[in-house]
Amino acid sequence: GQQVMQIPQYQHVQEGEDFTTYCNSSTTLSNIQWYKQRPGGHPVFLIQLVKSGEVKKQKRLTFQFGEAKKNSSLHITATQTTDVGTYFCAGGTSYGKLTFGQGTILTVHP
Amino acid sequence: DTEVTQTPKHLVMGMTNKKSLKCEQHMGHRAMYWYKQKAKKPPELMFVYSYEKLSINESVPSRFSPECPNSSLLNLHLHALQPEDSALYLCASSQDRRAYEQYFGPGTRLTVT
Repeated sequence: GQQVMQIPQYQHVQEGEDFTTYCNSSTTLSNIQWYKQRPGGHPVFLIQLVKSGEVKKQKRLTFQFGEAKKNSSLHITATQTTDVGTYFCAGGTSYGKLTFGQGTILTVHP
Repeated sequence: DTEVTQTPKHLVMGMTNKKSLKCEQHMGHRAMYWYKQKAKKPPELMFVYSYEKLSINESVPSRFSPECPNSSLLNLHLHALQPEDSALYLCASSQDRRAYEQYFGPGTRLTVT
């Protein structure tokens, strides 16, 4: 079945440093979604990418979808302590099934 | 209102008990989902309901029984669970099941003793 690999598993940064997490799917995706889960919380939707080569920005966050629609990345510029949490990518199919990557746990040291 | 609510927040049950988890949304969404999440792991899809009909069952053991009484409600009936079933159970909804963002509830933290 579909597998979504995500790296790194953990990332520790100093506040102000940049952060990037990468996702790779074993199959071509219909779309890719990104979620953030704060410690003790639940996943919260960040963004969805649908088109090949798509790039979207949300303030300090930049999301990319690869040309082959099999990989994606999330880049955070100048991290803040409020960015702490686990970032999940999730590969979507046209019939609604999301396959989550393993997640990247981000720690930001002030 | 973009909220998905789940009750109870916490549940402790013995292996012979029967209990139910409840989920509710009032966003007019027509797809609802159950996920299981273990600590430091991603959510794992269990069931998908689309227009109140079960459309995906990810080979979940029969001790988990989903039910969708109407378009706003989703239940998960639990019976004869095992300790390894202890996890955070998340409900989610989306506009419909076709590639739309999912809104997650806060989850029910289940402990099976």
